[in-house]
Amino acid sequence: NAGVTQTPKFQVLKTGQSMTLQCAQDMNHEYMSWYRQDPGMGLRLIHYSVGAGITDQGEVPNGYNVSRSTTEDFPLRLLSAAPSQTSVYFCASRVRQGNTEAFFGQGTRLTVV
Amino acid sequence: DAKTTQPPSMDCAEGRAANLPCNHSTISGNEYVYWYRQIHSQGPQYIIHGLKNNETNEMASLIITEDRKSSTLILPHATLRDTAVYYCIVRVDFGNEKLTFGTGTRLTIIP
Repeated sequence: NAGVTQTPKFQVLKTGQSMTLQCAQDMNHEYMSWYRQDPGMGLRLIHYSVGAGITDQGEVPNGYNVSRSTTEDFPLRLLSAAPSQTSVYFCASRVRQGNTEAFFGQGTRLTVV
Repeated sequence: DAKTTQPPSMDCAEGRAANLPCNHSTISGNEYVYWYRQIHSQGPQYIIHGLKNNETNEMASLIITEDRKSSTLILPHATLRDTAVYYCIVRVDFGNEKLTFGTGTRLTIIP
C-alpha cells in the first residue's frame, strides 16, 4: 500500500493563480482532511471530509475549496493564490470506526510570490 | 478540544529514556490523549494514544495521571532517529476530525 500520496511535492505560484493540490489514499479510509503548517507552528485544519460527498470547514478554510467525489481522493483547490497561503500542506486520512490513528502524507510545499 | 501545554524543547542522551510531559488540565471525560511526532519536515507520524489507562506499544509508553490532567510519553531507549517535534493532542473520537496541534516539544537526542 502506498498510504497517503500527495502531489506535487513542491509548487511555486504567482499571486492570483489557481491550482489544485492532490491527495489520494489507498486504505479505503472514510475520513480525510487537509492541514497547513506555517514555519515554527503546529498544523491547522483547513477542510475535512467524513465520506464521499460530505465535506466541512476546519479552522482556516478561507481561500480554499474541497470536494470528495470518491473515497480515495480529496483535492484541495486554491482559488486565487495569495502570499499568505505560502505554507506546507498535509493531507491525512483515517478509518471512521473506532479510535484510530491518522495517516499523513509527506506534504506539499507551496510558495506564492 | 482541551488545550495542551508542552515544554518547547528537551534534550536526551542517546540510549536513555526520553520522558516528554504534557499538561491537559481541562480535558473532558470523553477526550483521548494522542501523541504524534514530526521528523524534520515530514508528515506527522502517529505514536500512541490512550483514554485513562497506561498504554504501551512498540514505539513508546503513555502514562496518564489518575486525574487525567497530565500525561508523559516515554521513549524507552532513545536513538538519534527519535530527534523530532512531539505533539500531544487531546480530542473526542467520534464526530470530531480535528487534531489540534500546538507547537509541540522539540526533542533532540544527543550522541
